[in-house]
Amino acid sequence: GENVEQHPSTLSVQEGDSAVIKCTYSDSASNYFPWYKQELGKRPQLIIDIRSNVGEKKDQRIAVTLNKTAKHFSLHITETQPEDSAVYFCAARGSGGYNKLIFGAGTRLAVHP
Amino acid sequence: GAGVSQSPSNKVTEKGKDVELRCDPISGHTALYWYRQRLGQGLEFLIYFQGNSAPDKSGLPSDRFSAERTGESVSTLTIQRTQQEDSAVYLCAGSTSGYNEQFFGPGTRLTVL
Repeated sequence: GENVEQHPSTLSVQEGDSAVIKCTYSDSASNYFPWYKQELGKRPQLIIDIRSNVGEKKDQRIAVTLNKTAKHFSLHITETQPEDSAVYFCAARGSGGYNKLIFGAGTRLAVHP
Repeated sequence: GAGVSQSPSNKVTEKGKDVELRCDPISGHTALYWYRQRLGQGLEFLIYFQGNSAPDKSGLPSDRFSAERTGESVSTLTIQRTQQEDSAVYLCAGSTSGYNEQFFGPGTRLTVL
């Protein structure tokens, strides 16, 4: 079945450093890849997404890259700040009739001042 | 409404009892999803509704789980004969389409004693 693997499960960085989270997906027909941020005790919120017709997308300190051949996509956060501390989830949507997103297991990012 | 709402916010029940969880999506969100999130874990897809199409029930873990949705409004997730392993936060999310952002509710924290 469809599967999304996410690494690392935990990530600790110093404020100002960059953080990179990587995901791989199994369904080669997947065409939509969102990233969600979940702060402690709160609901997940979309921070950036990318569709299969582009290789990279940026939004201020956040960027996502997609390698369709390798079935791999990554989240890059530059100049990290303590408020970036949260759990980040990647997801992939298949191209079938249903719009189901398959989520990765999450990465707990800690940014230390 | 301002966003997706869910009720109750917390539910404590005894093993073997039935529970019903409610989700009120944003008006106009034709797609509605239910997820389960165990403590410290990722988002596990349960079921997806899209308009009047047959729902995708492929994520329901057992026949004790069922969900209904009336048109494009309220949805209820019912768990019969609850077990301790059903303890989790149940999140619903809505979107205007499979390519667009999913807006999550605050979740219902279910504890089965």
